[in-house]
Formats: sequence, C-alpha cells, structure tokens
Amino acid sequence: DTEVTQTPKHLVMGMTNKKSLKCEQHMGHRAMYWYKQKAKKPPELMFVYSYEKLSINESVPSRFSPECPNSSLLNLHLHALQPEDSALYLCASSQVRGGDYGYTFGSGTRLTVV
Amino acid sequence: AQKVTQAQTEISVVEKEDVTLDCVYETRDTTYYLFWYKQPPSGELVFLIRRNSFDEQNEISGRYSWNFQKSTSSFNFTITASQVVDSAVYFCALSEKSSNDYKLSFGAGTTVTVRA
Repeated sequence: DTEVTQTPKHLVMGMTNKKSLKCEQHMGHRAMYWYKQKAKKPPELMFVYSYEKLSINESVPSRFSPECPNSSLLNLHLHALQPEDSALYLCASSQVRGGDYGYTFGSGTRLTVV
Repeated sequence: AQKVTQAQTEISVVEKEDVTLDCVYETRDTTYYLFWYKQPPSGELVFLIRRNSFDEQNEISGRYSWNFQKSTSSFNFTITASQVVDSAVYFCALSEKSSNDYKLSFGAGTTVTVRA
C-alpha cells in the first residue's frame, strides 16, 4: 500500500459546526503533515508530527486542532471556522527524515465554510 | 523570506513545443532535498523527482529532464515536446531542517497550459 487516504473528499460546514478530517497511511511512515492550499496558491505547511508527537506548528489558529492517535492515522479537528478557512487540506507522510525518501500526498479534502 | 522562487507564473505553449520551468532556492543547510510536483486540475500532488544536495547529476525521464546547479542554487525542469496532458500547475519544493524536524516548502507554482 503506497497511498495516503484522506476522508472526506469534500466537506461543507457552518461556522458553528465541529468536524474532523482524517488521514491514513500504511507505509510505515513515522512523519505526517497537514498542509492548507488556497485557490491558485501553493500548499502551506500547518503541522508536522514525528513518531506521533507534534514537532512543528506553523502558528496555526487554535480552531484547527491536530491529533495523531497512532502511527498510521492523523486527524485535523475543526471548530468555529471562518469562511476564509475554505481551502484544500492536504495530508502527507514520509520517513522521519522527509527528504531522504520523499513525501507522499493524499488527494486532499476540499473544505467549504459557509 | 521566500525559500523557493519560481520566476514564471504562467506559461502557455502550443503542443510539441519545449517548456522550461525555472526554480531558484535559498537555504543555509548543506544537506537539503529538492522536489518537483505536478498538480493537475483534480488537485492531487503528483511527485515527479527528488534530488539531494550532494547529487548534481542531471536527470532525464522520458520527456522530462532536470538541471540541478548548486553554484546558482537552481533546479530547472524542462518538458520536451509538450502535450495537452502536461497542462497543470508545477511546484518546485525544498525540504530542509527546521527547528525539530524537516519542512517541505513550496514555490508559488507555474501554471503550464499546452494548447492543441
């Protein structure tokens, strides 16, 4: 299995809703990442997890809450989002030293906040 | 500060023309990794190539070729005899050590449109 699976593929949520994005990989990768991509912009790093511990938080607002329950699973909990948070959310995984073996990206969750 | 600069925002060519995408990077690390990704309209990021900082050998894969020059901090990408299916956004990216871990940072992307 050489894939990163993200669910759901599309999500529409209201500003008072609570929702979660899920990312799963079974490649034995020990680093996982969340990226946010606005339309016509490059992906921007949000969080890095290594060995299930948060190692980098790129000053992301607390309405985004990541969680890594085990080495195969990465969640992003969403609460009280704003319309400007609408974007494509990409998950990726890699060996811990990411560059050595590359990064594998999922196909993303397209989030719309209304 | 921008770590990866892609000079061209958009490139439009007619099928069978060659296309070269420029990428200039900035890092203080001696060990780093460079990547090119393709993002078609469907949204997924498709890995094209990885190069580490110690390997300056150029590479050719089918119609794709890459020119890595450490002296000018550039990692340019050429599509030879372009096809309509090459239409996509292409990102150059740099992976380097940052505080506790490695970060992959993307350039702004170059939108390539190949017309039949």
